[in-house]
Amino acid sequence: AQSVSQHNHHVILSEAASLELGCNYSYGGTVNLFWYVQYPGQHLQLLLKYFSGDPLVKGIKGFEAEFIKSKFSFNLRKPSVQWSDTAEYFCAVNAYNQGGKLIFGQGTELSVKP
Amino acid sequence: GAVVSQHPSRVICKSGTSVKIECRSLDFQATTMFWYRQFPKQSLMLMATSNEGSKATYEQGVEKDKFLINHASLTLSTLTVTSAHPEDSSFYICSAPQTGNSPLHFGNGTRLTVT
Repeated sequence: AQSVSQHNHHVILSEAASLELGCNYSYGGTVNLFWYVQYPGQHLQLLLKYFSGDPLVKGIKGFEAEFIKSKFSFNLRKPSVQWSDTAEYFCAVNAYNQGGKLIFGQGTELSVKP
Repeated sequence: GAVVSQHPSRVICKSGTSVKIECRSLDFQATTMFWYRQFPKQSLMLMATSNEGSKATYEQGVEKDKFLINHASLTLSTLTVTSAHPEDSSFYICSAPQTGNSPLHFGNGTRLTVT
């Protein structure tokens, strides 16, 4: 069965620090990969996605993620975080032959200190 | 852009009653919709796949008789929590892909509290 693992449960950073959130998945076939963000009290928003092509994907708000197929990883990065980035971040995987069904990671809570 | 509307956003009900949650795709047709459940401080767990015109597909461990799903049209799926118990209190979220494997559009979720 597919699974998604996010290594960090809670990350605390100061403003301007660099961010990297880990995400690994287990599935041997073709996958689509997503990062979603959930701000306090709000619904999920898509940060970025990878379907094919350039494995370095740029998303909104300065976020990017790199798909490394050999490592089954899709880590999220941001060079300089802001207080407004405080939120919960979810990595999700969609197996190519399973329509729009998403498997989510456990989530990483990011707290950015002003 | 494509929007998924979920209603109600918040509901409080008594134990033993049933609650219906609606999920609508506002400007596109969705033959498939997904229902997720999110406990506090936890990730989203897929409950079931709602299929227009046919039976829903439930994930392992989800009681189909308790969580009734109906996908009567290309723009509407409903989730009914029957005989609700306090442990059913959770955040329920629906989503729909606009086309094929396109990024899912999520509803704003429904906070269910069973007293």
